Amino acid sequence: EIVLTQSPGTLSLSPGERATLSCRASQSVSSSYLAWYQQKPGQAPRLLIFGTSRRATGIPDRFSGSGSGTDFTLTISRLEPEDFAVYYCQQYGSTPRTFGPGTKVDIK
Amino acid sequence: QVQLQESGPGLVKPSQTLSLTCTVSGGSINTGNYYWSWIRQPAGKGLEWIGRIYTSGSTNYNPSLESRLTISVDTSKNHFSLKLTSVTAADTAVYYCARDLGYSYGRGPLDYWGQGTLVTVSS
Repeated sequence: EIVLTQSPGTLSLSPGERATLSCRASQSVSSSYLAWYQQKPGQAPRLLIFGTSRRATGIPDRFSGSGSGTDFTLTISRLEPEDFAVYYCQQYGSTPRTFGPGTKVDIK
Repeated sequence: QVQLQESGPGLVKPSQTLSLTCTVSGGSINTGNYYWSWIRQPAGKGLEWIGRIYTSGSTNYNPSLESRLTISVDTSKNHFSLKLTSVTAADTAVYYCARDLGYSYGRGPLDYWGQGTLVTVSS
């Protein structure tokens, strides 16, 4: 099973600032099958990024993903008020699919 | 626009079977190379992938749950289902159903999600 670790656990930033979230895998994620999700309280997760860097339909271009192998990054270029949430990475290259523990982005 | 909706009992007694159904609307469950998945989330915790099914009936399960788990699909009713036997308090969680995009050799992210349903295991 591929274990995903996310850092930091919490990121305290102000609107307009840049957010950089990290996801590290215990072994290489095949063919960059890495996705990022955003979850707000009481809501289901929403797909942001898949295939490491492909934005899902309707996702603004302030969200970008990068990385390969075992190290991946989600960047939010300028935080909007609606971006304060929990972010999860997920690998879907092997079974079982696994998620990271999440990074909470909160308002400083 | 595809929509998914979970349904089933919100309270299950320990040692009994948890049964949930996910109804898909806005499109046929048979269309495309999609897989249909279950994920759960205990209160205040992270996400756990439970398993998925293709419309042919082919399944992939999380090994940690496989001995207690059955996922099935009924294409005539456009829904798929989850059965988890011998539940304990550790199975208490919000259960989500979701569509697996399956875009690359059957691998894909989860692009559409249901709103989730809370299942509590308690006597």
